[in-house]
Amino acid sequence: NAGVTQTPKFQVLKTGQSMTLQCAQDMNHNSMYWYRQDPGMGLRLIYYSASEGTTDKGEVPNGYNVSRLNKREFSLRLESAAPSQTSVYFCASYSSYNEQFFGPGTRLTVL
Amino acid sequence: LAKTTQPISMDSYEGQEVNITCSHNNIATNDYITWYQQFPSQGPRFIIQGYKTKVTNEVASLFIPADRKSSTLSLPRVSLSDTAVYYCLVVLRGYGQNFVFGPGTRLSVLP
Repeated sequence: NAGVTQTPKFQVLKTGQSMTLQCAQDMNHNSMYWYRQDPGMGLRLIYYSASEGTTDKGEVPNGYNVSRLNKREFSLRLESAAPSQTSVYFCASYSSYNEQFFGPGTRLTVL
Repeated sequence: LAKTTQPISMDSYEGQEVNITCSHNNIATNDYITWYQQFPSQGPRFIIQGYKTKVTNEVASLFIPADRKSSTLSLPRVSLSDTAVYYCLVVLRGYGQNFVFGPGTRLSVLP
């Protein structure tokens, strides 16, 4: 099992550009999450999907959109990137035994 | 979900036992206590979870008093490789939900 995979690993954008971060899990989990982590800070929840077909806002949803494409995949889109969105983005899936499994992260820089 | 409070940082020496306490005064009846470990440039990794009394696994022990308003993560005989950030979360078992990680406790293990 690959667990949780994320693409790309690194990305540099110019202000105003758009991009989609991809996430997939092969553990058959119902719930998936997107977090951002700024340097020296804890994780902040952007959006989550408790089950296929549903999405909900987390603590910092502004400037982002998500799509739960199917049970395996949960994508995060930045429509018009801003320097304040420079961060490391983590995707996670959640098992019914209270355990979140995290991907390796995407390091995004917005110039 | 219950808000948690933990120390921002702790220092220890190799071979010592480290105890990190988390306060969660408004924990609900069906909530579980979970702990995660995060190394630099990686996503968090689940360590342990518990509901009451004591739980032990190959990595750590978790002590929860009867009133469940706090919990203590115990790391026996730490090594340099235990230097990481440790997060305490209170979760409702098995449901997709709005997780709040907070800043965590930055543990530095010194030689």
